[in-house]
Amino acid sequence: EAGVVQSPRYKIIEKKQPVAFWCNPISGHNTLYWYLQNLGQGPELLIRYENEEAVDDSQLPKDRFSAERLKGVDSTLKIQPAELGDSAVYLCASSRRTSETDTQYFGPGTRLTVL
Amino acid sequence: GQNIDQPTEMTATEGAIVQINCTYQTSGFNGLFWYQQHAGEAPTFLSYNVLDGLEEKGRFSSFLSRSKGYSYLLLKELQMKDSASYLCAVKGAGGYNKLIFGAGTRLAVHP
Repeated sequence: EAGVVQSPRYKIIEKKQPVAFWCNPISGHNTLYWYLQNLGQGPELLIRYENEEAVDDSQLPKDRFSAERLKGVDSTLKIQPAELGDSAVYLCASSRRTSETDTQYFGPGTRLTVL
Repeated sequence: GQNIDQPTEMTATEGAIVQINCTYQTSGFNGLFWYQQHAGEAPTFLSYNVLDGLEEKGRFSSFLSRSKGYSYLLLKELQMKDSASYLCAVKGAGGYNKLIFGAGTRLAVHP
C-alpha cells in the first residue's frame, strides 16, 4: 500500500511570495489532516477534512492560509503571502474513519524556508 | 487546558532498555498514540493504548494508566537505528480523531 505522498519536499521562497503544498492521501482514507511542525516541537493541527468537507479549521490562520480538497482525495494547502514565521515543516496525514483506532498516517512533509 | 509532557532528550547504549515517559492533562481522553520520527522524515505509528495496561509489539511496548494520566514507551534491545524522536499524542474528547502531540523526546543511542 502506498503511503501519503507530499510535494514538494523542500521549498525556499522570499517573504510575501505565495506558496502551495500538495498532498495525496492513502487510498481509501476519507479523513485528511494538515499539520505544522516547528523544529523541536510536535505537529499542530491546522485543518481536518472529512471527505471534501473541512470539519475543523479552527487553528488555520485564515488571513493568509487556505486549503481545499475538491474531490475528497488530493488536497492543497496555500499560504499567501508567506511570512518569515511560516518557516516550518508542513505535514499531511490521513486516516480511515471506520478503523478501530483511526490511526493517522503521515507523509514526509514539505520543509518551507521563508527568507 | 491541554498539556502533554515528555523529557526533551535521552541517551542510551546499544543493546540496553530505555523507558520514555509521557504525562498528559487533556479535556477528555479517547486513546494515546506513540509515533517515531527520524530527522527529516514522517512520524510513523508505533503503538496505541486506550485501556490501562501494557501493549507489547516486538521490541517496543507501551503502557497506559488513565487514572494517573501517564504512559510510557519501552524500547528493548536498543539498536542504533532507534535514534529518533518519539512523540506522544493524545486523542481528546469530541468524538473525532483530534490528536494533541507532545514536543517529542529525542533519543540518542550510542555504541
